[in-house]
Amino acid sequence: DARVTQTPRHKVTEMGQEVTMRCQPILGHNTVFWYRQTMMQGLELLAYFRNRAPLDDSGMPKDRFSAEMPDATLATLKIQPSEPRDSAVYFCASKASGDTDTQYFGPGTRLTVL
Amino acid sequence: EDQVTQSPEALRLQEGESSSLNCSYTVSGLRGLFWYRQDPGKGPEFLFTLYSAGEEKEKERLKATLTKKESFLHITAPKPEDSATYLCAVRTSGTYKYIFGTGTRLKVLA
Repeated sequence: DARVTQTPRHKVTEMGQEVTMRCQPILGHNTVFWYRQTMMQGLELLAYFRNRAPLDDSGMPKDRFSAEMPDATLATLKIQPSEPRDSAVYFCASKASGDTDTQYFGPGTRLTVL
Repeated sequence: EDQVTQSPEALRLQEGESSSLNCSYTVSGLRGLFWYRQDPGKGPEFLFTLYSAGEEKEKERLKATLTKKESFLHITAPKPEDSATYLCAVRTSGTYKYIFGTGTRLKVLA
């Protein structure tokens, strides 16, 4: 049963600390998305990659957020320095190549910045 | 500005009481409209894709429809296990950018 995996599932940190979240997309999927979900804003697209290349990161605060795909099996989202307003659930999703629009979401990383 | 609005924010139904959820959108060019289901503590789970006005998709007690301005998710004779948050999203033409609404929290009472 192919699934998107994310680590860690929960993270509590103090303001100013660096946070790294990891995602393993479904094997063979070539498009990876990072989303942030809060009660107020809902699900917001932060960035997405196709064939490991960043296509759009306009949803990310550029001064503190960065997203990379070191290889086809790993996507990372880094926040440095973290702030309390970054507290949210961060989801990774992946999609197969071709004309399909079906995204498969991971279980999310719940981040709390104190 | 591209936007997706879902209503109502929350809905409580008795088991067997049919209803509809609404998703209205304004986008510069619609590539597709999608419905997802999200259970507490989990990631969204794909339900339907609709690409053109007049299109309909069905799955068990759920039926999704699309017009040029909105989509409806009809729930027929719901059961308690249908309780979840239902999210609507659109993809704009020429991009892989997906814009999600804030969802409708559905509670079905036994």
